Order: sequence, then C-alpha cells, then structure tokens
Amino acid sequence: NAGVTQTPKFQVLKTGQSMTLQCAQDMNHNSMYWYRQDPGMGLRLIYYSASEGTTDKGEVPNGYNVSRLNKREFSLRLESAAPSQTSVYFCASKDSSTDTQYFGPGTRLTVL
Amino acid sequence: GENVEQHPSTLSVQEGDSAVIKCTYSDSASNYFPWYKQELGKGPQLIIDIRSNVGEKKDQRIAVTLNKTAKHFSLHITETQPEDSAVYFCAARDSGTYKYIFGTGTRLKVLA
Repeated sequence: NAGVTQTPKFQVLKTGQSMTLQCAQDMNHNSMYWYRQDPGMGLRLIYYSASEGTTDKGEVPNGYNVSRLNKREFSLRLESAAPSQTSVYFCASKDSSTDTQYFGPGTRLTVL
Repeated sequence: GENVEQHPSTLSVQEGDSAVIKCTYSDSASNYFPWYKQELGKGPQLIIDIRSNVGEKKDQRIAVTLNKTAKHFSLHITETQPEDSAVYFCAARDSGTYKYIFGTGTRLKVLA
C-alpha cells in the first residue's frame, strides 16, 4: 500500500514550457486534490476532483489544467509555465468516511 | 469565504516543555478542524482532528481544543521531544464544501 505517489520529485522548466505532474493513490478514495505550497502562505487549493470524471476549480486555478484519468490518477498540467508557478505541489486524496486527507511527498518545481 | 489565521509563525521550546499553536477561523459553518505535521521534504501528515460537536480531543501527548463561540482552536503538545520539530498547519473545512482552508504554518523547534 503506497498511499499517494507523485512524479517527478523535482523539475526545472524554462518560461513557456509545458509539463504534467502525475499523482496516483491506491486507497480507493473518490476525492483528490492538488495544492501548491509557497513560503509563508500555507497550502492553497488549485483544483479538486470529487470523483472520476469530475473536476472543480479551487482558490488558484489560473495557469493550470487537470485530468481525473480514472479513480486512481489525477494529473496537473501547466500549459505555459511562468516563474510565478515556482512552488512545491502536493497531491492529496481524502477518505470520505473520516475526512482525513492523505498527502503525497510533493513535486518541487522551479520555473526560470 | 473561510479565512484561517495561525500564530505564532515560529516557536522554540526546550525539550520537555509544552507548545501551544493557535488558529482562528472566520466561517461559523466550518465544522471540521484538522492539524497536520510536515517534516522537511515531506508532505503534510494528519496528527489530530476535531469536529464542531466536541470541545477537546486528546491523543497521548497531543491535544486539540475548540471554542466555537470565539471561532478558535488550538494544538497542545506536552513533554515535547526533538522529533516534534517540524512545521504544523491547522485547517478548517465547511461541511457543505470540499475546501480545506489552511493556516500559514508554525515552525516548531524543540531544543535539546
């Protein structure tokens, strides 16, 4: 039981490049989340998926797109990276019976 | 929308002393309040949570208290140990939404 896994762990992009951050969970949770973490700002919600096939915007969705490929996988795409998207990105899934969120180890992204 | 404020931003205590971290929230509809511990280079991990129908909850050296009238909740760690050193986040969730709003974090240092 690996929990929530994220790839890659680190990534450096140039402004304007695109990339997809991958997330998968093996806990059979319906709900999945993408957050970004910036110094002094806590975690901010980018996108949310209540179940396979559904997604919804969070607090800071601009510049991002998501895909809930199936129940296990929830990917985050940056179409044209900007320096303001330099951050640590966390994926999480939620156990609906307890409201507990389980976080992945994060992806540290730097946009030059 | 919901807003969560967390204090202090940094806290240093001597090993064996107690540590208290406080959070206030703005939305009276919020009814679930988790606390997360984040170690360096890792994702946040739930350490304790409390729901709005309970005033206090304990788990060994960790306790959380909730004052619904004042809209604040606190994390108490007793007999602190060096391994308690980490960043701690509070959060609040409105039962009618999927959003978890996080505080900005407290860096706790336990001095041996």
